[in-house]
Amino acid sequence: NAGVMQNPRHLVRRRGQEARLRCSPMKGHSHVYWYRQLPEEGLKFMVYLQKENIIDESGMPKERFSAEFPKEGPSILRIQQVVRGDSAAYFCASSLSRGNTGELFFGEGSRLTVL
Amino acid sequence: QKEVEQNSGPLSVPEGAIASLNCTYSDRGSQSFFWYRQYSGKSPELIMSIYSNGDKEDGRFTAQLNKASQYVSLLIRDSQPSDSATYLCAVNKVGAAGNKLTFGGGTRVLVKP
Repeated sequence: NAGVMQNPRHLVRRRGQEARLRCSPMKGHSHVYWYRQLPEEGLKFMVYLQKENIIDESGMPKERFSAEFPKEGPSILRIQQVVRGDSAAYFCASSLSRGNTGELFFGEGSRLTVL
Repeated sequence: QKEVEQNSGPLSVPEGAIASLNCTYSDRGSQSFFWYRQYSGKSPELIMSIYSNGDKEDGRFTAQLNKASQYVSLLIRDSQPSDSATYLCAVNKVGAAGNKLTFGGGTRVLVKP
């Protein structure tokens, strides 16, 4: 499967724990976007990364959330000291180019549940 | 005012009828507009893109754009039960980096046999 791969698909954490979500973009794609989707809501942009660079993090909460896309390996979205309000589906998307064709290829999402 | 607004629905449509979905956006300078389909529990997938005023047809789907009125719509002809999904309108705002998209809340469509 050459699509966008996210893992884990489901993650359960207790309040105060850390959550790490991983995303491997489609082969040949070097642009990664993270979105959050709350139940019955649309997708909210969080962060846009290229290899080793954060291009736009305007949607990231100021505290507890961080993202990286290292030279080697997947992109990681990290949530420290999780709270119940962090429960959501987190989608990663990748694109081939920097252009604005709007063609984002989404992964199946990681569903975080905070107890 | 939300940046991209959609009626949440559900929009109930009999099989074979036309489903009409609307979306309005607030950033007058937006240039690129997209419709994504999302089945329950699944990832969004791009079904239509439109960049200039007028209609764009692709199979049973037609996207319509009116920049002066700041709305974009999606028509689904000959609706099938398999079209039952949430349809997300997305906009690439002026100055947005790369393919950073702003999404509406989605319209849930139910096609009844």
